[in-house]
Amino acid sequence: GAGVSQSPSNKVTEKGKDVELRCDPISGHTALYWYRQSLGQGLEFLIYFQGNSAPDKSGLPSDRFSAERTGGSVSTLTIQRTQQEDSAVYLCASSFLIHPSTDTQYFGPGTRLTVL
Amino acid sequence: QKEVEQNSGPLSVPEGAIASLNCTYSDRGSQSFFWYRQYSGKSPELIMFIYSNGDKEDGRFTAQLNKASQYVSLLIRDSQPSDSATYLCAVKAGGTSYGKLTFGQGTILTVHP
Repeated sequence: GAGVSQSPSNKVTEKGKDVELRCDPISGHTALYWYRQSLGQGLEFLIYFQGNSAPDKSGLPSDRFSAERTGGSVSTLTIQRTQQEDSAVYLCASSFLIHPSTDTQYFGPGTRLTVL
Repeated sequence: QKEVEQNSGPLSVPEGAIASLNCTYSDRGSQSFFWYRQYSGKSPELIMFIYSNGDKEDGRFTAQLNKASQYVSLLIRDSQPSDSATYLCAVKAGGTSYGKLTFGQGTILTVHP
């Protein structure tokens, strides 16, 4: 079946502008995660949504970052007033949440964000 | 001390050899451990996971877990040039049923013909 999809694949923006990144999880997956990967920082957790529960926002680096998940499916990550340090690949993952020990996350292709 | 540590490499092995990738973690309560492979410019893809002490085999891949030593490894037998990639170790914390993975920095593996 179809995997996790993300759009756009690439986004170039100017410092100070707002951007929206979209993630469409694997059909039937109830959990959705956002990570970002930048040089020197590795892959770091941002936020995750689990069904109808309140999201875990503990990884969001500042209040310029927010995310929502509508209808338990598609998610949008919004970065306001972008800064150059926001340049990274933003990765979305989803999982089934069958069992806590074996819950496996599958990644989308990512959105490469470049802030000029 | 980083939560999840990997030797960044690069690790270079000849084709057909066994590649051994290592990972240590600091949270003794960690429950589940994952290995992802990431080709340059691509997103991580899951190789396998392990949550019980001992070995778990899947084809040419074997994951090994030693919770007492807080150590997890990945062995790749009969390495092929197509295995050349960055290998990411990821750990899921204990006490939380679902949620974030904490990743190591990754080990770059090069398999040369």
